Amino acid sequence: AQSVTQPDIHITVSEGASLELRCNYSYGATPYLFWYVQSPGQGLQLLLKYFSGDTLVQGIKGFEAEFKRSQSSFNLRKPSVHWSDAAEYFCAVGALRGRNNNDMRFGAGTRLTVKP
Amino acid sequence: IAGITQAPTSQILAAGRRMTLRCTQDMRHNAMYWYRQDLGLGLRLIHYSNTAGTTGKGEVPDGYSVSRANTDDFPLTLASAVPSQTSVYFCASSDSDGAGSEQFFGPGTRLTVL
Repeated sequence: AQSVTQPDIHITVSEGASLELRCNYSYGATPYLFWYVQSPGQGLQLLLKYFSGDTLVQGIKGFEAEFKRSQSSFNLRKPSVHWSDAAEYFCAVGALRGRNNNDMRFGAGTRLTVKP
Repeated sequence: IAGITQAPTSQILAAGRRMTLRCTQDMRHNAMYWYRQDLGLGLRLIHYSNTAGTTGKGEVPDGYSVSRANTDDFPLTLASAVPSQTSVYFCASSDSDGAGSEQFFGPGTRLTVL
């Protein structure tokens, strides 16, 4: 089965600074890749997803992610962080095309703290 | 506002008791899911349903059961709760059961088993 690793448990950045959250996946082929955000006490909200095509994916709230097949990575980036971006971020890998959606695996999450 | 509702918001439960977590969606999505979220482990799939009338086991199904009598509701039952089932439980849905379909999440139920 596929798996996801988020190497950073907790990251602190200053407001206005750039951000990169790391995600590495393990799967036999190109999977579906997702980034979700979870604000305190809330459910998860989809930021962006990658299926195929352009390896740089734009999402909501100014986030983007780049798929790098050679590195099995799907890192999330934002040029300038806002205080409201403080949250928990989850990378997820879905199943191969043609399979059901019940095989999605989530990383352990990265908690983002934003300093004023 | 369309979406997923979960009840209760939080619950403290004595070990050995039976508990049903409720989940209702109004988006007419075919597929629904139950996850548990534990610190350091992310979200793990407990059970899923690709369409009304069908259910399947996820990664961590032991101690849990589900039913899908209609499109909108997907309750999760703990027949005899144990402390290791202390967790935050999220219900999710997607309009398709196809790989890659976006999943929409409810606000979660925080369950403590003593």
